[in-house]
Amino acid sequence: KNQVEQSPQSLIILEGKNCTLQCNYTVSPFSNLRWYKQDTGRGPVSLTIMTFSENTKSNGRYTATLDADTKQSSLHITASQLSDSASYICVVSALNNNDMRFGAGTRLTVKP
Amino acid sequence: DAGITQSPRHKVTETGTPVTLRCHQTENHRYMYWYRQDPGHGLRLIHYSYGVKDTDKGEVSDGYSVSRSKTEDFLLTLESATSSQTSVYFCAISESRRGGQETQYFGPGTRLLVL
Repeated sequence: KNQVEQSPQSLIILEGKNCTLQCNYTVSPFSNLRWYKQDTGRGPVSLTIMTFSENTKSNGRYTATLDADTKQSSLHITASQLSDSASYICVVSALNNNDMRFGAGTRLTVKP
Repeated sequence: DAGITQSPRHKVTETGTPVTLRCHQTENHRYMYWYRQDPGHGLRLIHYSYGVKDTDKGEVSDGYSVSRSKTEDFLLTLESATSSQTSVYFCAISESRRGGQETQYFGPGTRLLVL
């Protein structure tokens, strides 16, 4: 079982709508959690990073939240645009080694 | 793609053939990584390098070898390609060790098909 589980696997929304993507993890001890955006045919690009003491982080229309007690994170996208169509990947790092665990991603499609 | 190029971008090869993928960076970052990405799986680390001639295995290193003779270049070799190595391969770089708060920057990927 993957130590980082993302849901849903895929999501279709209309342009202008909001959406929330979920990430649950079991990686321990926790160091930090990142959200990456990966456009089709491109490499992932970092959106946000949160450490244990941070429970929210924004990057424009992207807002990530973290609940380290329940080991859950979410990525909220506000007023979606066609360019938000991409895969969103949650990555969790462990504190005591160099391990990074990648979720399988959520494929978001924004339709006009 | 943060000054990272990968070559080739696409390759089709036959089972049993050796294959070398190249990653080149212009950022002078110390750490370089090779990942593979497969449907339904997260990115998985194959090998990484923490300096010239300094490399270590990742979680899926079997069947792969790497070399780093210059700071800017990191090569991934499949000694004898198998169909299970059909995948998209990403190179990444970072200034400090992976897992820390330093961002990893990814290249554009190489799509490899082993027939």
